[in-house]
Amino acid sequence: AQSVAQPEDQVNVAEGNPLTVKCTYSVSGNPYLFWYVQYPNRGLQFLLKYITGDNLVKGSYGFEAEFNKSQTSFHLKKPSALVSDSALYFCAVRDRDTGGFKTIFGAGTRLFVKA
Amino acid sequence: NAGVTQTPKFQVLKTGQSMTLQCAQDMNHEYMSWYRQDPGMGLRLIHYSVGAGITDQGEVPNGYNVSRSTTEDFPLRLLSAAPSQTSVYFCASSYTPRAGGYEQYFGPGTRLTVT
Repeated sequence: AQSVAQPEDQVNVAEGNPLTVKCTYSVSGNPYLFWYVQYPNRGLQFLLKYITGDNLVKGSYGFEAEFNKSQTSFHLKKPSALVSDSALYFCAVRDRDTGGFKTIFGAGTRLFVKA
Repeated sequence: NAGVTQTPKFQVLKTGQSMTLQCAQDMNHEYMSWYRQDPGMGLRLIHYSVGAGITDQGEVPNGYNVSRSTTEDFPLRLLSAAPSQTSVYFCASSYTPRAGGYEQYFGPGTRLTVT
């Protein structure tokens, strides 16, 4: 069965500092991996994805993530945080070897960037 | 394009009542899904569909029914509402992976309260 773990309920970082939001996953086959962001009272917005190829993927708003197969991780990073990055972030996985139809989400990590 | 639309935005039901949450997309996406979002639990998959006439269960299907008679619409029916179904419901759509689609597009959500 697929599962996603986001070990931190909240991450606090000062504006201008680098940020990392952690994600580990479990699938029976090979994964498609995603990060989404949710602002208050809004639906989720896609940030970036890993499908195949280069393990470092770049996405919207300066975010990037690194796929690490041996550690089954897909941590979200940004070199310099902005106050406007404060939001709820979700990691998600689809199992490509079972057709990739089911997307399973983590519980979410709230990012708070202090000015 | 309107993207993914959901109606209503808010709904209050009494225990035992039934209702249908509407979801429509105008992007010709084959894949559609319903999630519920509860604090600390992230998004949990209720049901999904990979095309008209094809539906399957997700992680938490009990108490909910779906059907997919057209590509555009994917309604979610609550058969007999219970307080445990108080949640925010999101509909999402995407192309299927075999068609080169991976990330999902989300609607704005329906906030449901069952008293």
